Amino acid sequence: DQQVKQNSPSLSVQEGRISILNCDYTNSMFDYFLWYKKYPAEGPTFLISISSIKDKNEDGRFTVFLNKSAKHLSLHIVPSQPGDSAVYFCAAKRQAGTALIFGKGTTLSVSS
Amino acid sequence: GAVVSQHPSRVICKSGTSVKIECRSLDFQATTMFWYRQFPKQSLMLMATSNEGSKATYEQGVEKDKFLINHASLTLSTLTVTSAHPEDSSFYICSASPASGGARETQYFGPGTRLLVL
Repeated sequence: DQQVKQNSPSLSVQEGRISILNCDYTNSMFDYFLWYKKYPAEGPTFLISISSIKDKNEDGRFTVFLNKSAKHLSLHIVPSQPGDSAVYFCAAKRQAGTALIFGKGTTLSVSS
Repeated sequence: GAVVSQHPSRVICKSGTSVKIECRSLDFQATTMFWYRQFPKQSLMLMATSNEGSKATYEQGVEKDKFLINHASLTLSTLTVTSAHPEDSSFYICSASPASGGARETQYFGPGTRLLVL
């Protein structure tokens, strides 16, 4: 039973355009959501997070939106750069100290 | 800040041997560390939760006698793959959350350890 779903395995975007990565979840008990970027044979790198009490969090080129009623969140990258090409994982957790539940990831390719 | 290291980064061993992987939080204390495993082109799957000073909590389907976890201090957790077999070949990643402070909701990951069992 996949509690965190990333339904798009891949996304291709041109440099300078917006990248939108989507994530859906089923467990209404999740209260904290995170996005990670990962290169092959490396550990995930934390990008941005959002608490369930908020609907938006912004950090530089990265913005995460949370729609609790739809159990949906998205990561926006503007403007996209070739160096953003990687696998992006959405993750969720129920409370502090608990493990993250990951989606299967979306491979983003940004072409110049 | 919030750096997690893993050692070794890569290990090749013969079938039947044991391999120890270390996970260290370099600039923060972590009462809880997590061990994940990733197969090629798949997501990270949680194996176990490692708590400092107590027994680890294993996920369903993970053999606790095969994957020994020790969380000896607030900055070190070890995963020992005992009597490794080729099917244990995988990418093992640890993570840790700061024990206090505003970042305690965030988990920081180590660079991972690639295990190849021949």
